[in-house]
Amino acid sequence: DVKVTQSSRYLVKRTGEKVFLECVQDMDHENMFWYRQDPGLGLRLIYFSYDVKMKEKGDIPEGYSVSREKKERFSLILESASTNQTSMYLCASSYRGFYTEAFFGQGTRLTVV
Amino acid sequence: GENVEQHPSTLSVQEGDSAVIKCTYSDSASNYFPWYKQELGKGPQLIIDIRSNVGEKKDQRIAVTLNKTAKHFSLHITETQPEDSAVYFCAATSNTGGFKTIFGAGTRLFVKA
Repeated sequence: DVKVTQSSRYLVKRTGEKVFLECVQDMDHENMFWYRQDPGLGLRLIYFSYDVKMKEKGDIPEGYSVSREKKERFSLILESASTNQTSMYLCASSYRGFYTEAFFGQGTRLTVV
Repeated sequence: GENVEQHPSTLSVQEGDSAVIKCTYSDSASNYFPWYKQELGKGPQLIIDIRSNVGEKKDQRIAVTLNKTAKHFSLHITETQPEDSAVYFCAATSNTGGFKTIFGAGTRLFVKA
């Protein structure tokens, strides 16, 4: 079974902290994604990566950055956490190509206080 | 910008009845339409998908229909069971100007035993 593992299920951070969310996949997928899930807004793409050291902005990249130093690992970084970044964060991965299923991690619920 | 509208936001049905969730997309270049199911505490999981060259696809109790002219697609679940209770997301993917998937806001389905 494909496994996408996010390092934390729940996180509580203080405003202004630098926050790292880690994601690892074990299926040798080329594509990796970070989404943010908020009630009534669905899933919104923050950043995605098609290859190692490659990244592309999604729809809501402001306040976030990413790192992909190895194929299996994709990290989301909140440079200076703010309360409006309190949300559920979902990592996903897929094979290269257009008609490919995205496999999601279980999510990290981040609360910024 | 491009968007996907999903209705209803909440749907409650009796066990054994059918459930229908509808989505409308705005990007006419969209040509891949996956549906994801998200159970409580888990990440979304693909349940069915359809490509633009097909009008309907069925997999046991679930089916998806696509009307490209109207930019409209729907998920149909027949003989609903309590384990169908979850949040369902539709999505539309295009590859113009780069790979882009837009998700609907989600439908929370309750199946009452």
